[in-house]
Amino acid sequence: QKEVEQDPGPLSVPEGAIVSLNCTYSNSAFQYFMWYRQYSRKGPELLMYTYSSGNKEDGRFTAQVDKSSKYISLFIRDSQPSDSATYLCAMERGNNRLAFGKGNQVVVIP
Amino acid sequence: GAGVSQSPSNKVTEKGKDVELRCDPISGHTALYWYRQSLGQGLEFLIYFQGNSAPDKSGLPSDRFSAERTGGSVSTLTIQRTQQEDSAVYLCASSPTSAGTGELFFGEGSRLTVL
Repeated sequence: QKEVEQDPGPLSVPEGAIVSLNCTYSNSAFQYFMWYRQYSRKGPELLMYTYSSGNKEDGRFTAQVDKSSKYISLFIRDSQPSDSATYLCAMERGNNRLAFGKGNQVVVIP
Repeated sequence: GAGVSQSPSNKVTEKGKDVELRCDPISGHTALYWYRQSLGQGLEFLIYFQGNSAPDKSGLPSDRFSAERTGGSVSTLTIQRTQQEDSAVYLCASSPTSAGTGELFFGEGSRLTVL
């Protein structure tokens, strides 16, 4: 079993819809949980990070962590065409070494 | 520039040749990381440098891979006797600290194609 599982299937949604992404993980020692966004031919950029369990909101983005279920989620409200990108979940292994999921390609259709 | 700079952006090489990939981190960032992004595999940790400490090489896939960081700044990733399975995007990232918030600043990557 991989440390971080993210179903890599692409996701197409109409503009204004809610996008829901999730990952599961196996290592209960993870404390920091991140979502990175990667545009085509660019490096990933940090979107949000959450420490331990709970919710964190930043504008249209909400990150949720449920450590008891080893499950994290990212929600994008009122999705925009500019949100079209690949979204990668990541967990911190210590010293900022990250374990990444495979990523979900999201396409927001105008 | 203000961001992490990587070169070359694209490299095509023949199987068996050696390649060097360069990373110039953000000024003042003490931690530097190399990751590999292969189709369908996600990002894979390769190596981590923190200041003058010995690097964490635990992610290097074979002894054909090596990296160094000179003067606590620029880093070079070297792949010897390249194989077709080495084809991937090699991403460098830096961080102002290794304190684990998970915030890494990535470059745009070096896309390696081994024929």
